Parts: sequence; structure tokens; C-alpha cells
Amino acid sequence: GAGVSQTPSNKVTEKGKYVELRCDPISGHTALYWYRQSLGQGPEFLIYFQGTGAADDSGLPNDRFFAVRPEGSVSTLKIQRTERGDSAVYLCASSLEYGGEQYFGPGTRLTVT
Amino acid sequence: GQNIDQPTEMTATEGAIVQINCTYQTSGFNGLFWYQQHAGEAPTFLSYNVLDGLEEKGRFSSFLSRSKGYSYLLLKELQMKDSASYLCAVTNQAGTALIFGKGTTLSVSS
Repeated sequence: GAGVSQTPSNKVTEKGKYVELRCDPISGHTALYWYRQSLGQGPEFLIYFQGTGAADDSGLPNDRFFAVRPEGSVSTLKIQRTERGDSAVYLCASSLEYGGEQYFGPGTRLTVT
Repeated sequence: GQNIDQPTEMTATEGAIVQINCTYQTSGFNGLFWYQQHAGEAPTFLSYNVLDGLEEKGRFSSFLSRSKGYSYLLLKELQMKDSASYLCAVTNQAGTALIFGKGTTLSVSS
């Protein structure tokens, strides 16, 4: 079956622009997670969805970052007024249920120039 | 708070055995995970420990001691394809996400 997919695979944007990153979880997985990974670091938690609701958004660095999952499947991570420090690989993961094994997507490499 | 420590880099030769250590401090423990990540790729699940002891899965084994806040990943019969970053992670206090270490980059040479 299909794994977690993310689009685009690469995104280059100018400082100050708005970007949207998309995640398609494994079908039937109720839990969805967003992480951010900088070079030489482990993934850093951003936000967790259980169904349609953001159950834990404590990892979002500031109010420029927002994520939605309106129908409990696809999720979109939105970043406003991008800054060069936002450059990283944004990883999405899903699990069958809360606390289960997380399956990661290939990530979106965001570069802010 | 939570903190995870693991060595930055390790090297080994084909056919050898290597042990990657991980120590952690956490305010609420709900399990420890090991993930493998090849350069430019997504992390893939290797193992999960929630009780003390050794979990064996083929060439890979993972050990946990909750009282010591310590885990290790043991890789046997190393192959070149095992060259990757190995990430140790614990669940956060709420159990809603994984807190990762910085990863250990393993280089396997012939």
C-alpha cells in the first residue's frame, strides 16, 4: 500500500512569502504529526493531529506557523512571512492510532532565500 | 524537560558488531524508539522498547534500562547499506509526539 506522501518535495521561496506544504497520510491513520529537521539534527516536533483537531500544537515556533486537517486525512502546514531560519526539511508522519508506530513521509525541503 | 544524548559519529567495518548508546532524561516515560535515516530520506522505524530488557529483530537488537535512563541499539554482521544516521527518540510527557536525539551517523567501511 501507499506510504505517507508529501508535496512538493522541494520548495524555494523568497523571504517574506507564504508557503503551504501538503501531507497525505497512510489511509486509515487517525494520528498525523509534523516535524522539522535541520541539517545534523534530529526531527523536531511541531504539531500533532488526532482526527481533524490539533491535539498538541506546542511545538509550533511562533504564530507564523499554522496547520490544518479539515477532513481528518490530508494536512497542510502553512507558513506566513517566511524567514531564512525557516529553511529545513519538513517531515510528516502518521500512525494508526495515538501512540502507535509513526511512519514518515519523504519530507519537503524548504529553502528561504 | 526532556533531553537525549547519543554519540555524533561512529565508524565500523563490514561484518563487525556496533553498539550505539542513548541516554535520556524525561519527565514521563512512554517508550523509546530507534529509527534509521539514510541521507536525504525519511526516518524508518527500527524498534520500540517500553519494558526493560533486550528486543531482538534479525540483525538489530535494542536494549532498555528505565532505571538508568539508558538504551542501546546493537547492529550485527554490519553491511555497507547500514551506513546511516540512527535516531533515538522518546515520547513526550503527553505521549503526543516523539522527542528525537541528534542522531548518530554510522559509517561502515569495507
